[in-house]
Amino acid sequence: DAGITQSPRYKITETGRQVTLMCHQTWSHSYMFWYRQDLGHGLRLIYYSAAADITDKGEVPDGYVVSRSKTENFPLTLESATRSQTSVYFCASSAEDRDYGYTFGSGTRLTVV
Amino acid sequence: KNEVEQSPQNLTAQEGEFITINCSYSVGISALHWLQQHPGGGIVSLFMLSSGKKKHGRLIATINIQEKHSSLHITASHPRDSAVYICAVRSQGAQKLVFGQGTRLTINP
Repeated sequence: DAGITQSPRYKITETGRQVTLMCHQTWSHSYMFWYRQDLGHGLRLIYYSAAADITDKGEVPDGYVVSRSKTENFPLTLESATRSQTSVYFCASSAEDRDYGYTFGSGTRLTVV
Repeated sequence: KNEVEQSPQNLTAQEGEFITINCSYSVGISALHWLQQHPGGGIVSLFMLSSGKKKHGRLIATINIQEKHSSLHITASHPRDSAVYICAVRSQGAQKLVFGQGTRLTINP
């Protein structure tokens, strides 16, 4: 199906483990984003990408790594998960055309125990 | 002070009431977005505005660029409108969004 897909929807992991959240979009949108949503903080940008092989830090990048070898995929990796990274993670995409809106994935609820 | 401020933070109303949610921002923008998030759900884009007014069903969004202010109105509100409504702005020259803290709307039957 066309759209933006995040996986998994739910994940429980232990402190110190590496975990990767996947994001896949089928529109060939140039821009992709990773946000985390926490009570009291709203949505905060972790990383974003303007095109394949181009990524940049957002507000809260520490502890996260991204890559974008293909336009359609933008995985987010927590190299050594911490409890403070327990959150809901949203992936989003947008076309380069500034008149185009954003589309968000359904989110991944990550719990680090 | 946040770049994007929404008011009120929480709003409870009766079914059928006219609802207004406000968003003020402090930076020059190229576009403003209104988003909706149901409890435990994903985020849906309702509107993207750069000027004037847009309408979709019972939802109306307006923006005043000079005053750096936008409003989201819901006419004939319904319990299914209960959700968090988020204002987000795209600064001039940027593609990323800056978000408000959201307004939690509850419509009672």
